Amino acid sequence: QVQLQESGPGLVKPSETLSLTCNVSGDSMSGFYWNWLRQSAGKGLEWIGRLYTSGTTVYNPSFQSRVTMSVDMSKNQFSLKLASVTAADSAVYYCARSPSPLGGDGFFSFWGQGTLVTVSS
Amino acid sequence: DIQMTQSPSSLSASVGDRVTITCRASQNINNYLNWYQQKTGRAPKLLIYAASRLQRGVPSRFSGRGSGTDFTLTISSLQAEDFATYFCQQSLSTPTFGQGTRLEIQ
Repeated sequence: QVQLQESGPGLVKPSETLSLTCNVSGDSMSGFYWNWLRQSAGKGLEWIGRLYTSGTTVYNPSFQSRVTMSVDMSKNQFSLKLASVTAADSAVYYCARSPSPLGGDGFFSFWGQGTLVTVSS
Repeated sequence: DIQMTQSPSSLSASVGDRVTITCRASQNINNYLNWYQQKTGRAPKLLIYAASRLQRGVPSRFSGRGSGTDFTLTISSLQAEDFATYFCQQSLSTPTFGQGTRLEIQ
């Protein structure tokens, strides 16, 4: 069964770039959509964006100007970069897999355990 | 964005009870509605997709209904392990989630 594991700094300074990686094990990355989401007490669960294994990305308009996602198939991992962070970006960040981008299969079937990122000086 | 509104925000119930949680979309989302269970400190777990399809491995006491804008998640007979927070999520467009329903032991 596929397993996902987020990694990255737990503390990021305001105005800097948050960088996280999701390592995928137990299955090939091919043919699936790979997502980043976050959860905070203030805003609940938010979808940040997704990428396909071809490298095609779709971002939530709310994050469009600050987010970059990329995939490294040779390492079975994908990454998130969120620029110009503020305290409002403090959250638990999750990576997740979906079989389809939208529609009846547009659900998140496998999730990482989540990683807490705090934005503070 | 499509707004998802869940009710109630919290619910107290006992083992063996039948409970129903409601999710309403701000516009027609067909049956593109998914339900998740989240326990404290854990990632959400998919329970139901496409409004009524049970995810593999999820107990049959969980069921989902609805289409258009109004959806429900029902747990037919609560077990101790079901006390958690439940979220709905639409997959018609940019994914959005409900604010959650916290199910507590009475």
